[in-house]
Amino acid sequence: EVQLVESGGGLVQPGRSLKLSCTASGFTFGDYAMSWVRQAPGKGLEWVGFIRGKPSGGTTEYAASVKGRFTISRDDSKSIAYLQMNSLKTEDTAVYYCARVPYSSGPYYFDYWGQGTLVTVSS
Amino acid sequence: QSALTQPPSASGSPGQSVTISCTGTSGDVGGYNYVSWYQQHPGKAPKLMIYEVTKRPSGVPDRFSGSKSGNTASLTVSGLQAEDEADYYCISYAGSTNALFGGGTKLTVL
Repeated sequence: EVQLVESGGGLVQPGRSLKLSCTASGFTFGDYAMSWVRQAPGKGLEWVGFIRGKPSGGTTEYAASVKGRFTISRDDSKSIAYLQMNSLKTEDTAVYYCARVPYSSGPYYFDYWGQGTLVTVSS
Repeated sequence: QSALTQPPSASGSPGQSVTISCTGTSGDVGGYNYVSWYQQHPGKAPKLMIYEVTKRPSGVPDRFSGSKSGNTASLTVSGLQAEDEADYYCISYAGSTNALFGGGTKLTVL
């Protein structure tokens, strides 16, 4: 059974950093691209970015709203994807979901989602 | 690139059919057969309902169907049931570096 579990959310002050983790199980993690999607309170889904699987080079792509501040990485030996968030802004407050892409390359669609972790940016 | 356009709300009575649209451009919806639809109940994670425009994952009722014409994709829910009341989002592949999301549609079962 495919499972994705996010962790690392919490309350953080503007300008500070936070690192989220997405621990996967039930599939060969390295073969798949992984994505991060966020949802601000009461708002719709917003794509954050993704990291390609090992067969596609493990490279990353980001939404314009987070490019240069957020970094996605992965540790295939531990089946974990990470989202490093720097220079956080109040508008980054959201539930952050990790989601699996059923390919190693581009963000075609997302077949499994984690339960999400809440990040609150506030002073 | 702009987000995909969905109507903010849709509704129908139990047993009826409802169709939700998702409009993009030739660079996303119209250019690829990678439109997907997600159902999200309050406080829950999104769930994949339709992928590659028309395909249903295992376990999704065949009351849910997808289609596309030009730059507009559609999700149709037939035989509406109370548990179908949720938010629905479309997502389109927009090239190797990007995915575009719709703003979401709140489906109300009257």
